[in-house]
Amino acid sequence: RKEVEQDPGPFNVPEGATVAFNCTYSNSASQSFFWYRQDCRKEPKLLMSVYSSGNEDGRFTAQLNRASQYISLLIRDSKLSDSATYLCVWRRSNDYKLSFGAGTTVTVRA
Amino acid sequence: EPEVTQTPSHQVTQMGQEVILRCVPISNHLYFYWYRQILGQKVEFLVSFYNNEISEKSEIFDDQFSVERPDGSNFTLKIRSTKLEDSAMYFCASMPASNQPQHFGDGTRLSIL
Repeated sequence: RKEVEQDPGPFNVPEGATVAFNCTYSNSASQSFFWYRQDCRKEPKLLMSVYSSGNEDGRFTAQLNRASQYISLLIRDSKLSDSATYLCVWRRSNDYKLSFGAGTTVTVRA
Repeated sequence: EPEVTQTPSHQVTQMGQEVILRCVPISNHLYFYWYRQILGQKVEFLVSFYNNEISEKSEIFDDQFSVERPDGSNFTLKIRSTKLEDSAMYFCASMPASNQPQHFGDGTRLSIL
């Protein structure tokens, strides 16, 4: 089983819609989780860290469910500029390399 | 905001040649990384570097690859005897301290002909 698995999408949503997607992980020693976004042929950029209690940053909400081993990202009031690939990323507690999911593609249409 | 910078942005090289990809991490950062992304695939870890030595490397990072931090600011990835399958985006990243987010450079696109 892959360490991190994501629904590849694409999620094609109209402006203003809410879109949500999950990422499942298999390694119980996982410690830290992040959502990065990647635009076509660009570098990954940190969107937000994911905390056990759930956290919000503007229109973005991240949740972590350790019991079921998944994290989620919800985007409210989608903007055209939210169109990107969203990467589920995790890091083990005993080292600092990042492991990446294959990404979920979101396309917001006018 | 400080950035990780990478040069060149695009490198085209004949198969079998050596390439050196350069990175200037953010100045007060202590941990350095190289990742690669083959077109259409996910980002993969290559190597991490801390305290002037490799701290971890993936199975991709074989004897063909090496890293250096020659002068306290640059962090280089050398690929000897390049192969077609080395064609990818190579991203450098740095981190200020443990348990902090990593910051990525905008990558070098390596094309092996």
